[in-house]
Formats: sequence, C-alpha cells, structure tokens
Amino acid sequence: NAGVTQTPKFQVLKTGQSMTLQCAQDMNHEYMSWYRQDPGMGLRLIHYSVGAGITDQGEVPNGYNVSRSTTEDFPLRLLSAAPSQTSVYFCAARRGAGIYGYTFGSGTRLTVV
Amino acid sequence: TQLLEQSPQFLSIQEGENLTVYCNSSSVFSSLQWYRQEPGEGPVLLVTVVTGGEVKKLKRLTFQFGDARKDSSLHITAAQPGDTGLYLCAGRYGGATNKLIFGTGTLLAVQP
Repeated sequence: NAGVTQTPKFQVLKTGQSMTLQCAQDMNHEYMSWYRQDPGMGLRLIHYSVGAGITDQGEVPNGYNVSRSTTEDFPLRLLSAAPSQTSVYFCAARRGAGIYGYTFGSGTRLTVV
Repeated sequence: TQLLEQSPQFLSIQEGENLTVYCNSSSVFSSLQWYRQEPGEGPVLLVTVVTGGEVKKLKRLTFQFGDARKDSSLHITAAQPGDTGLYLCAGRYGGATNKLIFGTGTLLAVQP
C-alpha cells in the first residue's frame, strides 16, 4: 500500500518553463490537497479538491493550476515558473471532511533558477 | 497573513527535559490536528482534537485544546532524541470550508 506517491522528488527549472508535479493515491480518498513549504512559513495551501471534477483555491493559488479527472490523481501545473516558486511541494489525501487527517507524500523539492 | 501562529519557532533541549509548544489563532477552530515531520518526509498525523477543553495523551505527548477552541498546546514529558522534528498544528474552520490550514511550525531538537 503506497499511500500518496509524488514524482519527481527533485526538479530544477529555468524561469519561464512550465512543468507538472504528479500526485497519485491508492487509498480511494475523496479529498486531496497541494501545499508548499518554505522556511518559517509552515505549510501553505495552494489548491484542494473534494472529489473528481471539483477543485478550489487555497491560500496561495497564483501561478498554479490543478485538475482532478480521477479520484487517484491530482497533478499540479506550474504555468511559467518563477524563482518565488522555489519550494518543497507536498501532496496530501484524506478520507473526507471533518476530523480525518491527511496522509502526505514525501514531497517534491523544486528549484527555479 | 498567517492564521495559526506557533511558538516557539525553535527549541533545543537536553534529553529528559520537558517542553511545551503552543498553537494560537484569533479564529475558532472546528477541529485541530498536530503533525510531526522529519527531514525529507511529509508530515505524519499525531492527534485530532475536537471538543473545547479536550485533553489527549499519546505516550509521553499530551495535547490540549483550549476551552474557546482558539488555541492548543503540545506537552512532551522526558523528551528523547527520537522526538526531534518539526511539529505542526493544523486547524479546520467551521462552516462550509474544507480547508485545513497549517501553522508556522516548531522545530524541536533533543540532544542526547
């Protein structure tokens, strides 16, 4: 049981390039989210989804797009990478609303030069 | 704007000492969670508290939810090097929102 799988683990982009961070879960959880983690800032919510076909914005959505065509997959797209998007990105899944906790992937470390 | 503030930001203690980490907000939570994160990994859920005044224990860790559901604390008794990590609180705000907002984190180092 893999839980939440993120690829790639590391990525270096040039300013202006686009890319997709992949996230897949095998727990059949409805809720999925993308967070970015920067020193001293904790985790900040980028986008989230409460089920296939449903997405919404979090705290810091600018420069990112998401889609949720299946329950399993929740890719995060960087449209035109900027140095300010250098960060560690985490995908997470949880069973539903309320008291359920998130299961996190192991993260993607992205550097934009 | 950070909705959830944690203190202290950093804590370095000796093995066997006790410590408390705080999580505060001006908003009321419908529930609050604590996670621990180790280097190179994603956060792992430790506990969820729901009721104001609730206290939960997990071995040497004691979690408390404030009566007004605006704050929480994590107390570790007789800390061990294995407790080293980043501790994060996360709050869910009531109503229709499905967002889980994380705090700024407390980095704990326990020296042997």
